[in-house]
Amino acid sequence: DSGVTQTPKHLITATGQRVTLRCSPRSGDLSVYWYQQSLDQGLQFLIQYYNGEERAKGNILERFSAQQFPDLHSELNLSSLELGDSALYFCASSKWSTGATTDTQYFGPGTRLTVL
Amino acid sequence: QQQVKQSPQSLIVQKGGISIINCAYENTAFDYFPWYQQFPGKGPALLIAIRPDVSEKKEGRFTISFNKSAKQFSLHIMDSQPGDSATYFCAASDEGSQGNLIFGKGTKLSVKP
Repeated sequence: DSGVTQTPKHLITATGQRVTLRCSPRSGDLSVYWYQQSLDQGLQFLIQYYNGEERAKGNILERFSAQQFPDLHSELNLSSLELGDSALYFCASSKWSTGATTDTQYFGPGTRLTVL
Repeated sequence: QQQVKQSPQSLIVQKGGISIINCAYENTAFDYFPWYQQFPGKGPALLIAIRPDVSEKKEGRFTISFNKSAKQFSLHIMDSQPGDSATYFCAASDEGSQGNLIFGKGTKLSVKP
């Protein structure tokens, strides 16, 4: 158990809908990262927050957004969903935001999103 | 543009054998190279990591070999066990990217008893 929690575990929805994925980082971790894992694209970095502020953006679509709240939990919002958005979405957390070898990213169990 | 190329895509090894997974990178700014292990239905978990100032790092049965000039690094699993059957991802990052990991496509390892 990494200490990172994600809810829900599974989500099934229809095209055009909007969903929210939730992540609680490990105790004491200030950074939250969101990744998307699909069969064809592998694991791709979406966005990172550090202590409530956006730090970096990766291959995140404009239909997707995220935020980190004062209690450090984070939510990933996916809107106008398309079939191709079906994937596993992982949240990871780390203590800082340095990329140092001591700043390990710990991954949650993921949310499996299925868009029908 | 795939910045970290991983091979092979899948690997079958007999119990007790050596599993070798290779990765190559393009960005010379990368300075942190972790390997993650992922079991079905679980999130990736850090296995072992290396920085480019060393050529090898060993932790138990797992060894990373790093070749800075060739921009390549590899994971060796000695005495492979059926419990090692999982998908392995190499990754890379640099401090300038706030630690965001660029992952390889993964290698599905099956260790046969």
